[in-house]
Amino acid sequence: DTGVSQDPRHKITKRGQNVTFRCDPISEHNRLYWYRQTLGQGPEFLTYFQNEAQLEKSRLLSDRFSAERPKGSFSTLEIQRTEQGDSAMYLCASSLVGAGGSNEQFFGPGTRLTVL
Amino acid sequence: LAKTTQPISMDSYEGQEVNITCSHNNIATNDYITWYQQFPSQGPRFIIQGYKTKVTNEVASLFIPADRKSSTLSLPRVSLSDTAVYYCLVGEGSGGYNKLIFGAGTRLAVHP
Repeated sequence: DTGVSQDPRHKITKRGQNVTFRCDPISEHNRLYWYRQTLGQGPEFLTYFQNEAQLEKSRLLSDRFSAERPKGSFSTLEIQRTEQGDSAMYLCASSLVGAGGSNEQFFGPGTRLTVL
Repeated sequence: LAKTTQPISMDSYEGQEVNITCSHNNIATNDYITWYQQFPSQGPRFIIQGYKTKVTNEVASLFIPADRKSSTLSLPRVSLSDTAVYYCLVGEGSGGYNKLIFGAGTRLAVHP
C-alpha cells in the first residue's frame, strides 16, 4: 500500500500520560499535515510541514502538542499530559506541491485517541 | 478562507441522483472549490475540484454558476456505499495549498 499510513490506529491512555503518533506520508510528497477531528465535526487543521520545516501551527496546537518531521519524511505528533478533551481522531495528510504535483491532500486512516 | 454553508443531512434511495449544494458567498478570485468524502473511521477522500462552470470525473460532477457564490455536487445513481459525509471546501489555489478548512459537512444516507 503506497498511501498515507498512521500508527497506531487506536490509543487508549490515562489522563496525564504522554502519547506519540506517527505518520508516514506518500513517499514523494513534500507536504505533511496534521488535523484533529471530534465526533460529528469536520477535521480541524493543526499544523503542516514543507519537507522538514514546520510552516504553520494552529492556535489549537497548545504547548502540550509538538510535531516534528526531522528528515522530511515521516512525522510524529506528541501530546504531553493528555486531557480528556484531547480525545479525538488525529488525521495525517500529505501532498506534493510544485514539481507538477496536484496539491491534492491524501489522508491517512487516522489515530483514534481516547483519554480516560 | 471563505466560509461554506451546506445542509447538515440528506436522505436518498439507491439509484437516485443526489445533488448537494454549498454556499460560499465570500469566495475570492483565487479560490477553488473542492469536495471531499469521508466514511466512518476513515480519513477524508478527495472527490472533485473546480473553479468555474462544470467539472466531471468518474465519480461525480461539480456545477459552479458564473458568480461562483455556490456550487453543487452531483452524485449520479447513488448506491448504499455512497453513504458518507461530504465536505465542501473553498481555498486558494488548486487543492488548497496550505490548509483545508472543513465545516461540519453533509451527512448523506442512502437507503435501499
